[in-house]
Parts: sequence; C-alpha cells; structure tokens
Amino acid sequence: SQTIHQWPATLVQPVGSPLSLECTVEGTSNPNLYWYRQAAGRGLQLLFYSVGIGQISSEVPQNLSASRPQDRQFILSSKKLLLSDSGFYLCAWSVPWGRDKGNEQFFGPGTRLTVL
Amino acid sequence: DAKTTQPPSMDCAEGRAANLPCNHSTISGNEYVYWYRQIHSQGPQYIIHGLKNNETNEMASLIITEDRKSSTLILPHATLRDTAVYYCIVRPPLGAGGTSYGKLTFGQGTILTVHP
Repeated sequence: SQTIHQWPATLVQPVGSPLSLECTVEGTSNPNLYWYRQAAGRGLQLLFYSVGIGQISSEVPQNLSASRPQDRQFILSSKKLLLSDSGFYLCAWSVPWGRDKGNEQFFGPGTRLTVL
Repeated sequence: DAKTTQPPSMDCAEGRAANLPCNHSTISGNEYVYWYRQIHSQGPQYIIHGLKNNETNEMASLIITEDRKSSTLILPHATLRDTAVYYCIVRPPLGAGGTSYGKLTFGQGTILTVHP
C-alpha cells in the first residue's frame, strides 16, 4: 500500500530564516506530487505540482520554491521566511496521467509552520 | 474550472443521515465532481467522486442531478468522527486540452458538526 510522509510535523522559525520541508511517498512510482498551503481558517491553496523528477510548476508567485530530486521526494524551501509564510503545509500525491481517470489525491499529515 | 457553492455549516444528529449539498451550475460535460473532507489539523481525505451516475462506496454516496448542476454527498449514518469540513470540487479529466494534471481547487467547504 502507498504511504506519504511529511516532516517535521510542526516548526517554529524566525522571520528571515531558511526553510526546508520534506515529503516522501512510498509504494508507488512516478507519482504526481503537490504542495498546498492552508492559512488559518482558509481553504487549501495549491503552491506547486510536479509530474516528474526535476519538473516543477508553480501556481502562484511567492517566497517559496520546490524541488524534486528523486522520484518520490518533494521538497519545499525558502531562503528567507516571511510572517505571511505561516500556515499548514500539505503534500499530496496522485497516480500519473492516464493510469487512473479518477486521479484522487492522497494527502500527507501536514507541517504546521509558525513564523515569528 | 467550474466553481462550487456550499453552505458554510450544517448540523446532524449522530446516527442520522447527513446530506451535504453542492451547487456547480457552470460544470462542463467532462468535469468530475469530487468530495474531500478535512478533520481538524489533518490533511484532506478523499471521499468519493463521480461524473454522471450516482456513486456509492464504503464511506458515502454521491447523488448527481440529471443536469449535473448540483450534487449531494450522503453520509448514511453519521458518527461524531464525521465532524469535519467537507469540500465539493469540480475538476476536468486528466489530459483535458493537454494541460490537466489533476489540480484540485478547494473552496471554503461546509463545516459539518455531528452532535450526540
């Protein structure tokens, strides 16, 4: 069965510090990978998605970047955090195009980031 | 992508059926209706999806009107653990126009509270 991991679960960082959040998926190959952010009391906002190693698409301009160094590893980074980067960060995966027309997304447990 | 409209909140008694409505009057013929839910401080959980026909799985039933402009998610016997935010999402099929990657646009959802 497939599992998705995220770490850390919670993080408190000062403004201006760097950020690295990691997401890994097990039990599947060549998944589509996604990073979402949920601000307090708000819906989920898609930040990045990836359909393969080294292939990253950004949905919104922001202070963050994403990388996919391995097939099942997705990393969210920032060189200098802003207060507005606080939120609940969620990684998700889905099967690649063509394999399943349903293509539901499976979410990880999330990382709660507080920037002070 | 077509937009959805959901009531901001609903209540349901434990053991009764919970019927969550969703309007998607601008849905296109090839767009799927997806339902996810998010329990507090967790990642969203896939529930069910459908295109034209009604669907049922171990979690819920999805009733889609004949004109596809609205749908209802039914939790047949709600429990306290079903208290969550329920999201109705409309999404084009994979490969639509060569650009689809399974993007999910989450709105504000419906806060369902199941009480004893």
